[in-house]
Amino acid sequence: DAGVTQSPTHLIKTRGQQVTLRCSPKSGHDTVSWYQQALGQGPQFIFQYYEEEERQRGNFPDRFSGHQFPNYSSELNVNALLLGDSALYLCASSLAPVARTNVLTFGAGSRLTVL
Amino acid sequence: GNSVTQMEGPVTLSEEAFLTINCTYTATGYPSLFWYVQYPGEGLQLLLKATKADDKGSNKGFEATYRKETTSFHLEKGSVQVSDSAVYFCALIKAAGNKLTFGGGTRVLVKP
Repeated sequence: DAGVTQSPTHLIKTRGQQVTLRCSPKSGHDTVSWYQQALGQGPQFIFQYYEEEERQRGNFPDRFSGHQFPNYSSELNVNALLLGDSALYLCASSLAPVARTNVLTFGAGSRLTVL
Repeated sequence: GNSVTQMEGPVTLSEEAFLTINCTYTATGYPSLFWYVQYPGEGLQLLLKATKADDKGSNKGFEATYRKETTSFHLEKGSVQVSDSAVYFCALIKAAGNKLTFGGGTRVLVKP
């Protein structure tokens, strides 16, 4: 049973560029959430997608946008990259509705370095 | 808002030592509480969870008890192994459809 898969695993960009990260949820899951984990810190919630719509959003600027496809996979796009966007980006999937007792399954992450 | 505070690391232990990682939270109502573990180069894995006061979550020798009166969810293991070396994150989820709020993580290094 495949878990959450993310691509690419590593990438390097320069300031001002744009990046797209991809996520395939665990089989049977229909909700995808994205988190940003800066080095040495805990993950921070970016946004959550369900039924192809953004359902919740954390304190991230509009440069961060996303999309969910009919097969439940998702993309995270970041425009006008800043040095501070360097981080591990984690995708997590779950089965909606995400009750308090539900568990999120995380992927291994995409490590973005902005030079 | 919701927040999670956990002890800063790194925590360095010898094999077979007792491990405690303190975690306290701030949230209204009754959140669900989690411990996640992150091994080097990997994503997050759920270690254990508790969904109501006085619940004890346990897995792989790790335990944590949901203490409403002290708003705490401390992680313990009686005898650590080198393979337990990782970063441990305490987290909460407040309500259905809501996001996970994480603490800053505690790095644990177990030496042979």
